[in-house]
Amino acid sequence: DQQVKQNSPSLSVQEGRISILNCDYTNSMFDYFLWYKKYPAEGPTFLISISSIKDKNEDGRFTVFLNKSAKHLSLHIVPSQPGDSAVYFCAASAWGAGSYQLTFGKGTKLSVIP
Amino acid sequence: EAGVAQSPRYKIIEKRQSVAFWCNPISGHATLYWYQQILGQGPKLLIQFQNNGVVDDSQLPKDRFSAERLKGVDSTLKIQPAKLEDSAVYLCASSLDQLRTSSDTQYFGPGTRLTVL
Repeated sequence: DQQVKQNSPSLSVQEGRISILNCDYTNSMFDYFLWYKKYPAEGPTFLISISSIKDKNEDGRFTVFLNKSAKHLSLHIVPSQPGDSAVYFCAASAWGAGSYQLTFGKGTKLSVIP
Repeated sequence: EAGVAQSPRYKIIEKRQSVAFWCNPISGHATLYWYQQILGQGPKLLIQFQNNGVVDDSQLPKDRFSAERLKGVDSTLKIQPAKLEDSAVYLCASSLDQLRTSSDTQYFGPGTRLTVL
C-alpha cells in the first residue's frame, strides 16, 4: 500500500521554464511534507518543506503548494536550471511506532535541458 | 558542520556472505535511521534509534539484519547471510530529535551501494 505516490517517473523541461513535480498521499494523518533532491551517488538532500497548516511555502526558486482536501502537493521550480537535474523525492511525516517517521514516494527524475 | 558519514561507499559480495555498514551521524543528533533504497524506489525505513535505544525496527528482517548504536553515536548495520534481493543502497540519516516534532529534518549520508552476486 503506497501512501505517498509520485506518478511521474520522469520529467523533462527546458532551461528557464517552470518545472512542476507532483505528489499525492492517502494517509490523512500526515502533518508535514518535505521534498528531497538526490544526485547520482549521493544521499538525498533536504530541499523544502511545508506544514499541513499552510498551503504554500517559498524558498528562492522553489515553491511547494499543499492542497489538503485533494491530498496533493506540488513542487514548482522557476526558472529551471541544468543543475536542478536530479531525482526529487516527496516525503510525508506522521506519528507512528513511537516517533515521527517519514514515508517516501518513488521519486521523479527531472531533466533540465539547456 | 560535518554531514552524515558512511562507509564503505560500495560493496560487492557473494550471496550467503556477511557484510557490515558503518554510519557516523551529525554531532548532537539524537535520532539515527537506516533506510534501504532499492533501485527505482524511495527510501524505506529499516530501523530507527533514539540515542542508543531502538524506537522502531518493525521493518527490519531480523532473521538476517541486525543494527546497533551502542554509545548513542556511531551505528553499524549488518546483514548475515546476504541474499540477492538485499542488493540496494543503504542510507543512514540523522536528525536532532524525531520524538519531539514532525518538522525535525532528516539529513542523509551518501549511502553504501551493496551488490549481492
